[in-house]
Amino acid sequence: TQLLEQSPQFLSIQEGENLTVYCNSSSVFSSLQWYRQEPGEGPVLLVTVVTGGEVKKLKRLTFQFGDARKDSSLHITAAQPGDTGLYLCARNDYKLSFGAGTTVTVRA
Amino acid sequence: DAGVIQSPRHEVTEMGQEVTLRCKPISGHNSLFWYRQTMMRGLELLIYFNNNVPIDDSGMPEDRFSAKMPNASFSTLKIQPSEPRDSAVYFCASSTRGHTDTQYFGPGTRLTVL
Repeated sequence: TQLLEQSPQFLSIQEGENLTVYCNSSSVFSSLQWYRQEPGEGPVLLVTVVTGGEVKKLKRLTFQFGDARKDSSLHITAAQPGDTGLYLCARNDYKLSFGAGTTVTVRA
Repeated sequence: DAGVIQSPRHEVTEMGQEVTLRCKPISGHNSLFWYRQTMMRGLELLIYFNNNVPIDDSGMPEDRFSAKMPNASFSTLKIQPSEPRDSAVYFCASSTRGHTDTQYFGPGTRLTVL
């Protein structure tokens, strides 16, 4: 059973375009993490958000945590082919529980 | 510094055979995690060790799966006997201390059971 819903499942865009992926839950997160996984590799932590309403930026990536701490989004500005990968959100309560992920493909 | 090391990277075996996956965590990390990733179920935690002691094995699918951590620098995940539905990518991750610290994932072992 997936406690986290990620959308969309797949996203294919042209280099230079913007994109947003979403992560939602019916219950409150204590904290939420975003990971990127490239083919043949393990997930790599991008950011951890803890406070409702929190916004964090990592170069062209902007992460938002909903005020009610039930949802989060990842926005990429001017996407590049190097942003291609599987983006996973995970809630970190007593253990990490992952969403199904969004596969992002950025075409050159 | 070396990251988490897993071996083998790929394993192909026949149904009924024993499979052993190996993991070397990052030196100095006290917590080790085994995960399984499939298209159907995504990334799932199988078992979690802290200071070489299994803390939570509720994700281990059934008795065919077992995991050990004989010392701070080595862990194994064993499947005996293996079944086709065990085909997946198995990841090992380590952290300094528990779930609250950043987990660093290894490259994974892709297991195919024919």
